[in-house]
Formats: sequence, C-alpha cells, structure tokens
Amino acid sequence: AQSVAQPEDQVNVAEGNPLTVKCTYSVSGNPYLFWYVQYPNRGLQFLLKYITGDNLVKGSYGFEAEFNKSQTSFHLKKPSALVSDSALYFCAVRPNTGGFKTIFGAGTRLFVKA
Amino acid sequence: EADIYQTPRYLVIGTGKKITLECSQTMGHDKMYWYQQDPGMELHLIHYSYGVNSTEKGDLSSESTVSRIRTEHFPLTLESARPSHTSQYLCASSEVNNNYGYTFGSGTRLTVV
Repeated sequence: AQSVAQPEDQVNVAEGNPLTVKCTYSVSGNPYLFWYVQYPNRGLQFLLKYITGDNLVKGSYGFEAEFNKSQTSFHLKKPSALVSDSALYFCAVRPNTGGFKTIFGAGTRLFVKA
Repeated sequence: EADIYQTPRYLVIGTGKKITLECSQTMGHDKMYWYQQDPGMELHLIHYSYGVNSTEKGDLSSESTVSRIRTEHFPLTLESARPSHTSQYLCASSEVNNNYGYTFGSGTRLTVV
C-alpha cells in the first residue's frame, strides 16, 4: 500500500538553530513530493515541491527540502528557525501513476522556542 | 491571497439540522477535494471531484454529500448534523495534472451541539 510517514509527532528547536522535519514515503515510480504548512485555525499553505531535477528544492519562508531517492525521503529543512515557524507541517506525495490523488502524512508539529 | 473561499469560517448548529458548507475557487481548477481534519490532526479525504458532474467518495466514510454543477463551486451538505460531525472541513483544488500541489481554503470549523 502506498503511504507517507512523518515519524515525529513533534519537533522542538531553539530559535536560530537549524531544523529538520522528516518525511519518508512508500510509493511506486517517481512521485511528486510536497510540503505544506498549517497555522492555527487555517487551511494548509503550499511550501515547496519536488518533481524532477536538483535534489535540493527551495520554497517559501526560507524553507528547503532534500529529496533522497535511495532512502525514499523528502526531509524539510531550514538553516535558522524562527518562532513564527511554529506550526503543523504536512508532507504529501502524489503518485505518478494510477490517478492524481495526493497522499498526506499525519503531520508534524514544530515548536520553535525563543 | 487564497483563490479558494470557504464559508462560513465557523458554524455552531444544533443536532438534526441540515447544513451546507460552501467552497468556491476562481482558478478554473478541474479537481476539487473535501478533507475532514480534527484540530491539529491528520487530514482525511471524504470527497473529491474530477470536474463538473463528477463526484467520488474519499478514503474516509462520511455521511455528507457533495455536488459539482459548476467548475468553481463544490458544496458539501450534511442532511442531519450530529455531534460526531464536529470537526474542521477543508476544501482544496488542483490543476488537471496536480503538478503544482493543492490550494486550500481556510476551512470551516463546525460544531454540532
């Protein structure tokens, strides 16, 4: 079965430190990969995507993500965390075959402490 | 700013009432989706649509129904609301190939008392 795993329910990091939010997937073929962020009482906002090309993709608000095909991972990163980055982050995968539905991970809550 | 709009943002309603959650997008996207999300929890796909007059049930069983009479409009209806329907409902849309991800609305927070 196709799936997306975000192994950490919560990530805590101090402001100014680098942050990583992990995502691994089990999907056949070459899927499209996405990260979304959700602030309290809001919908999800698109952060970045990987379709093809450079394994390091840059997105909104200084975030970037590294695609690793051999490890089937797509970890979200930021060199220097801000308190305002505190939110819920969702990894999502769109299989490249058999339809267009996107599979979302369960989400990881990021807390950035001042 | 979002090009997909959900109304109302918050709704408190009594058990047994019929309600319709509105979702409209101005991007001309063919594909639209409804997700149910308990606060701060994972998303559950409850309905989706490929285009006009096309609707499908999602991965999570839901007592709600949807319609897609116009490309831009994808309302969700609960014929008889129950406390178990209390949740946040998120509407989203995407282009034909979904290469650019989903655009989400701000959600409707529904409370059934």
